[in-house]
Amino acid sequence: EAGVAQSPRYKIIEKRQSVAFWCNPISGHATLYWYQQILGQGPKLLIQFQNNGVVDDSQLPKDRFSAERLKGVDSTLKIQPAKLEDSAVYLCASSSVLGTGNTIYFGEGSWLTVV
Amino acid sequence: AQKVTQAQTEISVVEKEDVTLDCVYETRDTTYYLFWYKQPPSGELVFLIRRNSFDEQNEISGRYSWNFQKSTSSFNFTITASQVVDSAVYFCALSETDIYNQGGKLIFGQGTELSVKP
Repeated sequence: EAGVAQSPRYKIIEKRQSVAFWCNPISGHATLYWYQQILGQGPKLLIQFQNNGVVDDSQLPKDRFSAERLKGVDSTLKIQPAKLEDSAVYLCASSSVLGTGNTIYFGEGSWLTVV
Repeated sequence: AQKVTQAQTEISVVEKEDVTLDCVYETRDTTYYLFWYKQPPSGELVFLIRRNSFDEQNEISGRYSWNFQKSTSSFNFTITASQVVDSAVYFCALSETDIYNQGGKLIFGQGTELSVKP
């Protein structure tokens, strides 16, 4: 079974530019997550989707970050304009059902450097 | 508020030594889940174990074992006879709930970087 796919793996941009990351979850997984992991820290949830609806986006900096999952499968996370502090790994994850305790599977992440 | 603390930032051992990674959590929920993930240099978080709050039995999987103690709010992870391939960052995480039971969100600790030297 294929895992969570993400692209691009690496991206370097200048501050104030925009960037987009793509995620394809495990087939059949209805719940999709985007996490941000700053170097030396644990991942932090940015947004959680159930199918194509948003369950939790309380920690998403909405002035510059946006995410969508239009058909309930693939998802895109966009940052515009980027700031230096956005340098991080952006991890996409998915799980089969919504609810506490379901195992969440992660992709390899998209590494962003803002210069 | 929910919180996970991994006090050990870095641990270095020599191959074949046993090593324990500590995890302490805080939650007001009575129903919750605890997880351990491994993050090798490639960056992917690899699922290792899930434990619910009602099951305090220790778990063993090969060289890995986990000790869950609700009395001390701890969920420690031990690697027996460590190997170089165990070198990675290990994260402990807590899954919280909300009133709609729309949980599944993981709260991670800061991670422990384990280095196993030959």
